[in-house]
Amino acid sequence: ETGVTQSPTHLIKTRGQQVTLRCSSQSGHNTVSWYQQALGQGPQFIFQYYREEENGRGNFPPRFSGLQFPNYSSELNVNALELDDSALYLCASSPSGTTYEQYFGPGTRLTVT
Amino acid sequence: QKEVEQDPGPLSVPEGAIVSLNCTYSNSAFQYFMWYRQYSRKGPELLMYTYSSGNKEDGRFTAQVDKSSKYISLFIRDSQPSDSATYLCATPNNAGNMLTFGGGTRLMVKP
Repeated sequence: ETGVTQSPTHLIKTRGQQVTLRCSSQSGHNTVSWYQQALGQGPQFIFQYYREEENGRGNFPPRFSGLQFPNYSSELNVNALELDDSALYLCASSPSGTTYEQYFGPGTRLTVT
Repeated sequence: QKEVEQDPGPLSVPEGAIVSLNCTYSNSAFQYFMWYRQYSRKGPELLMYTYSSGNKEDGRFTAQVDKSSKYISLFIRDSQPSDSATYLCATPNNAGNMLTFGGGTRLMVKP
């Protein structure tokens, strides 16, 4: 059974640029959630996708957007990058019917300079 | 007041010790309580979760929930150096889509 995978592992962007992060859910999972984890803090919920629709959103501005595809993989897009966007971005997938049971991928470390 | 709080540590114990990691939460509506382990520069790994009050055991790990005091604990028996990591508690909202995490407790188990 393949776990959650994310790409890229890390990347460096300049303030004002746009970035796209990708996530493949664990086999058999149809729900994907995205979190932002700043250094030394717990993850903060960005949003969740279920059946290609946004299913809940945390306290993040609209420049954070996402997509889910028919194969349940997902993208997180961030526009107009700010220095405070530097963080570990985590994707988690959940089995059908248990969206609270979230299994995380290794994360993408984003540095904004 | 944060919804879920943890002492950040670090907590340093000798190998073989019993470790107690704790969280408090503020929202009495929370029903599920999760424990994650996160190694440095890795994603969180779900260790176990419990529903409502009571205990749940899985090998060397025991999760305990006391809803009357809004207090959750994770006990690790016979701790090993490989247990050295940050431990995060989390609880989902009623919709089940958002996990609220504590800030994590860093544990160091010394050989």
